[in-house]
Amino acid sequence: ETGVTQSPTHLIKTRGQQVTLRCSSQSGHNTVSWYQQALGQGPQFIFQYYREEENGRGNFPPRFSGLQFPNYSSELNVNALELDDSALYLCASSYTGLANTGELFFGEGSRLTVL
Amino acid sequence: AQTVTQSQPEMSVQEAETVTLSCTYDTSESDYYLFWYKQPPSRQMILVIRQEAYKQQNATENRFSVNFQKAAKSFSLKISDSQLGDAAMYFCAPPSKGAQKLVFGQGTRLTINP
Repeated sequence: ETGVTQSPTHLIKTRGQQVTLRCSSQSGHNTVSWYQQALGQGPQFIFQYYREEENGRGNFPPRFSGLQFPNYSSELNVNALELDDSALYLCASSYTGLANTGELFFGEGSRLTVL
Repeated sequence: AQTVTQSQPEMSVQEAETVTLSCTYDTSESDYYLFWYKQPPSRQMILVIRQEAYKQQNATENRFSVNFQKAAKSFSLKISDSQLGDAAMYFCAPPSKGAQKLVFGQGTRLTINP
């Protein structure tokens, strides 16, 4: 069983640039959620994708956007990067359906630094 | 907005002893599950234990158990016989407004002293 994988693991951008982070969900999962974890803080929910559509969004501006592909992998895009966007971005996959346990399976994250 | 409070930013315990991490929340949701997740220094978060919100019986998973006080909206994690590998950040996540859209607390950093 393949776990959740994220890429890249680390990246550095400058203010105003755009970034795309990628996530491959665990085998058998159909839902992907993205979280932002600032240093020393708990993860904050950005949004969730199910059946290739956004299925809930946290308190993040529209410059945070995402996609889910037919194979359930996902991308997180952030436009017009700001210094406060520096954080660890976590992808979590899960199964939505009758056998739903609510558990999220996390990747190791992408560490974004904005200079 | 939901608020999750982990009142102990850091805790330290001797190896083999017992430690309890606290968590309170203010969500009105009564369905779904409550979770404790662990984030070791390698960063990947993993599930420690899950409590079904509609069950009165507290969940137990080997050395880990919870004390779920539904009326008080309290959900603490007890780790018995602490081991060096338990050292990590621990995050609680109470029932959320939507399945799998978890709201996490600020975390408790647990140190295990040999």
